[in-house]
Amino acid sequence: NAGVTQTPKFQVLKTGQSMTLQCAQDMNHNSMYWYRQDPGMGLRLIYYSASEGTTDKGEVPNGYNVSRLNKREFSLRLESAAPSQTSVYFCASTQDLRQPQHFGDGTRLSIL
Amino acid sequence: GENVEQHPSTLSVQEGDSAVIKCTYSDSASNYFPWYKQELGKRPQLIIDIRSNVGEKKDQRIAVTLNKTAKHFSLHITETQPEDSAVYFCAASDGGSTLGRLYFGRGTQLTVWP
Repeated sequence: NAGVTQTPKFQVLKTGQSMTLQCAQDMNHNSMYWYRQDPGMGLRLIYYSASEGTTDKGEVPNGYNVSRLNKREFSLRLESAAPSQTSVYFCASTQDLRQPQHFGDGTRLSIL
Repeated sequence: GENVEQHPSTLSVQEGDSAVIKCTYSDSASNYFPWYKQELGKRPQLIIDIRSNVGEKKDQRIAVTLNKTAKHFSLHITETQPEDSAVYFCAASDGGSTLGRLYFGRGTQLTVWP
């Protein structure tokens, strides 16, 4: 049982490049989330998808877009990467509010 | 939206001592409060959670208490061990929603010295 799988694990981009971070879960969860984690800032929600076919902005959505491709997959896209987007990105999923969120291993993204 | 404050930001204890981490939240409608442990370079992992209809929950050496009136909740770790060293995050749910959104504190770096 893989849980939540994120790809890639590491990536280095140049300013202005675009990139899509992939996330897939095999737990049949309805809700999926993208967070970024910066030193001393905890986990901040970028976008989330309460169910297949819906997406909503979180606390820090600027510079990002998302796609809920199907129930399993939720991707995060940086259209024009900026150094301020250097961070560790975590994807998470949950069945509903009554259940805890399960996290992937993260993607470490550096933008030069 | 919800605002979660977490203290202290760093905590050092001797092996065998207890550790307490405290969090406050702002939305009185929040009803779910998980705690996550994150080891260096790893994913956050749930260690314990509590819902608003319960005042205390315990799992071996870990316990969480919730005071809804004061809007604060705490993590208690007894008989600490070096492997408890990690960053701990508290979180509170988006009380007015059924979407499962969580708001996280900024984390506490716990170091347990042998």
